[in-house]
Amino acid sequence: GAVVSQHPSWVICKSGTSVKIECRSLDFQATTMFWYRQFPKQSLMLMATSNEGSKATYEQGVEKDKFLINHASLTLSTLTVTSAHPEDSSFYICSARDQGQGDGYTFGSGTRLTVV
Amino acid sequence: GIQVEQSPPDLILQEGANSTLRCNFSDSVNNLQWFHQNPWGQLINLFYIPSGTKQNGRLSATTVATERYSLLYISSSQTTDSGVYFCAVEFLESNYQLIWGAGTKLIIKP
Repeated sequence: GAVVSQHPSWVICKSGTSVKIECRSLDFQATTMFWYRQFPKQSLMLMATSNEGSKATYEQGVEKDKFLINHASLTLSTLTVTSAHPEDSSFYICSARDQGQGDGYTFGSGTRLTVV
Repeated sequence: GIQVEQSPPDLILQEGANSTLRCNFSDSVNNLQWFHQNPWGQLINLFYIPSGTKQNGRLSATTVATERYSLLYISSSQTTDSGVYFCAVEFLESNYQLIWGAGTKLIIKP
């Protein structure tokens, strides 16, 4: 089945620095990828839809300048958390869908970000 | 508005028991998936089931699209089944976005 690889699995960074998270579709091409954020004991919250070759579509309340998304190829989308602060600490997950498989969406393993 | 509701919110069972998790949704769907999120956060796709019935080992799922609900059955529960089970729905009008239920937290005691 379709595989989505997300890296890193966890990261600790200092307040004020930027962190880049990568999401790759390993065996299929994904024109669209999705970035989610999950707070403890809550469901997933869609942050943005990443579109290959064009600007991402952000959900209401998500700061575009804080969470930079780049989808430069059909197999890679990146989320950069800029000037991170402790309140940005969270679990971030990406997903994509292999349209040819018809098995629905596949998710990366997630990135646990801790800003100290 | 578009809604996905899961029940029960929490479920504690003894190892070996059977369980049924429910997902109600408010509108016609393109896609419905059941996921298991393990303690490390990994989301495992259990079923892609916009309609009909599927089985995979001890797990099975049924979606009755006309009545807008889906059920996930877990038989002979094992401690490794513990975690949170999410139902996520792609509605016809949601532009490929998944709408998530709040999840059912399942604890299987040895």
